[in-house]
Amino acid sequence: GQQLNQSPQSMFIQEGEDVSMNCTSSSIFNTWLWYKQDPGEGPVLLIALYKAGELTSNGRLTAQFGITRKDSFLNISASIPSDVGIYFCAGPRTSGTYKYIFGTGTRLKVLA
Amino acid sequence: EAQVTQNPRYLITVTGKKLTVTCSQNMNHEYMSWYRQDPGLGLRQIYYSMNVEVTDKGDVPEGYKVSRKEKRNFPLILESPSPNQTSLYFCASSLLLAGGEETQYFGPGTRLLVL
Repeated sequence: GQQLNQSPQSMFIQEGEDVSMNCTSSSIFNTWLWYKQDPGEGPVLLIALYKAGELTSNGRLTAQFGITRKDSFLNISASIPSDVGIYFCAGPRTSGTYKYIFGTGTRLKVLA
Repeated sequence: EAQVTQNPRYLITVTGKKLTVTCSQNMNHEYMSWYRQDPGLGLRQIYYSMNVEVTDKGDVPEGYKVSRKEKRNFPLILESPSPNQTSLYFCASSLLLAGGEETQYFGPGTRLLVL
């Protein structure tokens, strides 16, 4: 079945560094969503992508919809301590539906 | 304030004792969904609802029931809870915007322990 694999699973970085993470699938997605989950809270949508090749920014965050439609990337520039949390990619299993699949997450820890 | 609320936030119960976790949203969203989150597995969709009286199974529906009698409420029912349903549960709602954007709002979570 469909799976979303996120890499890396976790990472420690120094404050001020740039961060890159990715999400890959064995099947095509027509929508990619990136969420962040702070400790003890529910996920919050960061960026939504709808077209292959699309590059979208939200402040220090930039996400890209891979050309093959089987991957997506999230970059965080100049990381700060409040970037700590778990980042999830997600998408609808079938285009136009609300049957969502989530990746296993990338846990980010920022060292001040 | 736009929000999704869940109750209770924490629950300890015993195997076989029926329980209901409530979810309510104040944004007039058509879509609502339930997820469970387990370590190393991310979020997995249990059930979702496209509107009142319209529900469908997600990836892990076994052992759960839902109902959507009103637009704002989407309770999750465990008729006979078992220890493997110990998990962190999230309710979410969404409105499909005119441009195709989807903003799914998540509740604060309900941590369930089944003994």
